[in-house]
Amino acid sequence: GAVVSQHPSWVICKSGTSVKIECRSLDFQATTMFWYRQFPKQSLMLMATSNEGSKATYEQGVEKDKFLINHASLTLSTLTVTSAHPEDSSFYICSANSGGGNTGELFFGEGSRLTVL
Amino acid sequence: DAKTTQPPSMDCAEGRAANLPCNHSTISGNEYVYWYRQIHSQGPQYIIHGLKNNETNEMASLIITEDRKSSTLILPHATLRDTAVYYCIANAGGTSYGKLTFGQGTILTVHP
Repeated sequence: GAVVSQHPSWVICKSGTSVKIECRSLDFQATTMFWYRQFPKQSLMLMATSNEGSKATYEQGVEKDKFLINHASLTLSTLTVTSAHPEDSSFYICSANSGGGNTGELFFGEGSRLTVL
Repeated sequence: DAKTTQPPSMDCAEGRAANLPCNHSTISGNEYVYWYRQIHSQGPQYIIHGLKNNETNEMASLIITEDRKSSTLILPHATLRDTAVYYCIANAGGTSYGKLTFGQGTILTVHP
């Protein structure tokens, strides 16, 4: 089946630094990918929609200048957390549609756990 | 997406059927019912989805009431590896496809 992979699976960084998380569709092309965030003991919250070749669209309350999204190819979207702070520590998860219609299964990555010290 | 309501937790004995209910009384006619599950510290995994008819796949069955205001996910023979948080989501697809609204879900614990 279709696979979505994220890298790194976990990262620890110092406050003020930037961290890049990659989301790859391994065996299909994805014109659209989605980025979610999950804080401990909470549910997933959609952050933004990543569109190949165009700007990402962000959900209300998500700072686009802080969470930079680039979707330069049909198999790769990146999320960069700029000037990270401890409150950005979270589990970041991406998802993608394999293109089999717009009502079917979405494939999620394994998630990337960010800890900001 | 229509709001969905699920019990916060459920228990099930290994080998028995797990029946997870979901209420979606305000669901629109074009919204599908999706079920995903999340095992601890992993990304969500698709289980099944349906619109009006009952659906079955290798993982589970989905029973949707005739008025579509509620549904039940059935894991026919639960195993310990089915312990996870189960999310019931209503989504219309189209322009909102992929923008899933996750509620708190049901924590299913399968015990020996």
